[in-house]
Amino acid sequence: DAGVIQSPRHEVTEMGQEVTLRCKPISGHDYLFWYRQTMMRGLELLIYFNNNVPIDDSGMPEDRFSAKMPNASFSTLKIQPSEPRDSAVYFCASTPRWKGSSYNEQFFGPGTRLTVL
Amino acid sequence: DQQVKQNSPSLSVQEGRISILNCDYTNSMFDYFLWYKKYPAEGPTFLISISSIKDKNEDGRFTVFLNKSAKHLSLHIVPSQPGDSAVYFCAAMRKTGANNLFFGTGTRLTVIP
Repeated sequence: DAGVIQSPRHEVTEMGQEVTLRCKPISGHDYLFWYRQTMMRGLELLIYFNNNVPIDDSGMPEDRFSAKMPNASFSTLKIQPSEPRDSAVYFCASTPRWKGSSYNEQFFGPGTRLTVL
Repeated sequence: DQQVKQNSPSLSVQEGRISILNCDYTNSMFDYFLWYKKYPAEGPTFLISISSIKDKNEDGRFTVFLNKSAKHLSLHIVPSQPGDSAVYFCAAMRKTGANNLFFGTGTRLTVIP
C-alpha cells in the first residue's frame, strides 16, 4: 500500500487566493483526519470524517476553512481566502474502524507545506 | 487551550546515553497516551503507546512511563542513536471513539555521534 497520499507537497500562494489541499487515505480506512502543524501549537486537529461524513469540525479555525470527503478515497481541505497566518504544514491521516478497546494507529501523509505571502 | 504540553522544544544527547522526553497533560479523562516520531519532510509515525491503566510500557530501546497523579508521561530512549534524531510528539486520546488525538508541540531530539 502506498500509504496516505497528499498533494501538493508544497504550495506558495498570495494572500486572498484560494488554496485546495488534497488527500487520499489508505484504502479500507474508515476515518480521515486533517491536522495543521505550527511551531506555537504543534499538531492541531482541524476536522475528522467517519465513512465520508464530517464528525467534528470544531478545530477548523474560521469560516475560510472548509473540508469535504466526496468518497472514501478522496478528501479536500480548502482555504478561501488565504491569509499569511495560514502558513503551516497540513497533514492528513487515516485509521481503520474504531475497535473500541484499543488504540488504532493513525497513519499520516507526508504533509503539504503551505506558504501564503 | 493546550491539553498536552511539551515544555522542552529541544534536547541534545550524546550517542549511547539516555534520552528523556517529557510531556504533561491537563485532562484527567485521557485513556491512552502515545508518542509519535517525525523526520523532516515526512509525516509523524507512531512509536509507542501506553494505556492509562498501566504505568510503564517497553518496546526495545523505547520505554514510556506514565504518572497519572502528576499527569505526566515521559519517553526514555536507551541507548540513544543518531538515527533517533527527530521531532517527538506526545499525544493523548479518550476512548470515546475515532481516536482523535491531542498533540503537544513537539521536542526536537538531536543525538550527537
